[in-house]
Amino acid sequence: DSGVTQTPKHLITATGQRVTLRCSPRSGDLSVYWYQQSLDQGLQFLIQYYNGEERAKGNILERFSAQQFPDLHSELNLSSLELGDSALYFCASSVAQRNTQYFGPGTRLTVL
Amino acid sequence: GENVEQHPSTLSVQEGDSAVIKCTYSDSASNYFPWYKQELGKRPQLIIDIRSNVGEKKDQRIAVTLNKTAKHFSLHITETQPEDSAVYFCALTPKEGGTSYGKLTFGQGTILTVHP
Repeated sequence: DSGVTQTPKHLITATGQRVTLRCSPRSGDLSVYWYQQSLDQGLQFLIQYYNGEERAKGNILERFSAQQFPDLHSELNLSSLELGDSALYFCASSVAQRNTQYFGPGTRLTVL
Repeated sequence: GENVEQHPSTLSVQEGDSAVIKCTYSDSASNYFPWYKQELGKRPQLIIDIRSNVGEKKDQRIAVTLNKTAKHFSLHITETQPEDSAVYFCALTPKEGGTSYGKLTFGQGTILTVHP
């Protein structure tokens, strides 16, 4: 157990819908990262927050957004869902921006 | 952005043999190189990492070597066991505009199968 928690574990929804994925970092970690894992794209960095502020953006679609709250938990919002958004979404956390990252168990999103 | 090429994509060994996975990169400013192990349906788990000021690091049966001049780093697993079977990912932190925010760029993964 890495200490990073993610909810829900599984999510099944329809195209065009909106979902929210939640992540709680390890105690004391200020930095949260979101990654998407799919068969064709592999593990891809989406976005990073540090102590409530967005710090880096990767290949994140405009339909996706995220935020980190004062208690340091983070949410990833995915809207206007498409079939291709089906993937495993991982959250990772680290103490600071350049430290070891620990991954949560992931949320498996299925868009039908 | 930074690309990481990982080889081989699949690796099959007999229990007790050694396994070596190699990754090459292009950005010489990259300074942190972790390796993750991922079992089917599970989270990536950090197994070893190395920073750019070190050439080699070992942890029991696992070692990582870094050649900054040639821009490649390798994972070495000795005395492999069936429970080592998993997908292994190399990664690095790229630098953009002179800043490394810690985000990871991953290789494509290597499916390691250890036969009893």
